[in-house]
Amino acid sequence: GAVVSQHPSRVICKSGTSVKIECRSLDFQATTMFWYRQFPKQSLMLMATSNEGSKATYEQGVEKDKFLINHASLTLSTLTVTSAHPEDSSFYICSARDRAGEGYNEQFFGPGTRLTVL
Amino acid sequence: LAKTTQPISMDSYEGQEVNITCSHNNIATNDYITWYQQFPSQGPRFIIQGYKTKVTNEVASLFIPADRKSSTLSLPRVSLSDTAVYYCLVGPPGSSASKIIFGSGTRLSIRP
Repeated sequence: GAVVSQHPSRVICKSGTSVKIECRSLDFQATTMFWYRQFPKQSLMLMATSNEGSKATYEQGVEKDKFLINHASLTLSTLTVTSAHPEDSSFYICSARDRAGEGYNEQFFGPGTRLTVL
Repeated sequence: LAKTTQPISMDSYEGQEVNITCSHNNIATNDYITWYQQFPSQGPRFIIQGYKTKVTNEVASLFIPADRKSSTLSLPRVSLSDTAVYYCLVGPPGSSASKIIFGSGTRLSIRP
């Protein structure tokens, strides 16, 4: 299957700093990528849909100025958590659909990034 | 997007067959049913997808009755490594912009 990578896999930062997380589709092109957040023992919560070459679409309740998304190419989307606070500590997961695989609603997920804000 | 309902948790033993049922009463005509598996601190992994009747792959089987208001994921002869959270998702195929909304999932625990 298609491979999606995330970098870094784990990050610890001080409160008030900004953290950038990268999501890459390694062997396919993804017009659209998705960003999720997952707290311990909870399900994945969709944060935003990242569209190549255009602005991201955020889900209700997600602050677009706090979670900046850039989808500069067909293989890379970045999520920047600005002025991070301890409550932003979570597991962030991205996913992507193969641009060529239009027939099914199958998405490929990255391994996730564990963010800890001190 | 059709809402799904699954058991919160299930327990079983190695070597047993495990069946996880998902209810999706409001499934639309063009919706597909997809199951994902997630291990702790990892991203979800696609298991199987179907539209009607039965689908089988090397990992699992998916049974979908004629009314499509529910589906059952069947894991044959489970092992300890099948301990994970399993998510049932329902949505339309096609557009690359189709987003996935995750429900609560079923936490499956396999014991020796």
